[in-house]
Amino acid sequence: RKEVEQDPGPFNVPEGATVAFNCTYSNSASQSFFWYRQDCRKEPKLLMSVYSSGNEDGRFTAQLNRASQYISLLIRDSKLSDSATYLCVVSRSNYGGSQGNLIFGKGTKLSVKP
Amino acid sequence: DVKVTQSSRYLVKRTGEKVFLECVQDMDHENMFWYRQDPGLGLRLIYFSYDVKMKEKGDIPEGYSVSREKKERFSLILESASTNQTSMYLCASSRGGSGKEKLFFGSGTQLSVL
Repeated sequence: RKEVEQDPGPFNVPEGATVAFNCTYSNSASQSFFWYRQDCRKEPKLLMSVYSSGNEDGRFTAQLNRASQYISLLIRDSKLSDSATYLCVVSRSNYGGSQGNLIFGKGTKLSVKP
Repeated sequence: DVKVTQSSRYLVKRTGEKVFLECVQDMDHENMFWYRQDPGLGLRLIYFSYDVKMKEKGDIPEGYSVSREKKERFSLILESASTNQTSMYLCASSRGGSGKEKLFFGSGTQLSVL
């Protein structure tokens, strides 16, 4: 299994649709999980952290399943402005230092159409 | 908000040249990172630093070196640029701590080596 794996898409959805992305990771010792968003020709920006109990931020819901080693992101009521690439990010615990650094998935591209 | 500034947005260099990419952050972050991003390969970690004068190799350090003489500045050096180092280079910073800290990225340097 690759360290962090995502379906590259593209996911083409109409405005108002609900869309879900999954991401799998290989290191069972990983402790931190995130979704980043990257707009075309821009830098990645943190969308949300993913907590064990699941968490919601407006139209966005993130879930973590440690047993199956996957993370999900659900976007409800899609907007045109949600069009971007969504990067799944997982910490790597076997690097030195006070925090493991992060492994980025290759991203899932979302295109929301009018 | 945190600002991570990369010295150049676009850079064109010739094979064999020594190239310096500079990155400065203004929020007193302990951690700084250099990534490169290529189509189909995602973000890959080149080097990172948890403190002044400290550096650690990432996944693809070959052909690169780094310097962190001051806390706010992290430089990436290509000793002898090659065409396979043509890429988007992204600098990032974060606070030290538990590993759950948000990464702040600069806007990137698109380097072309001819």
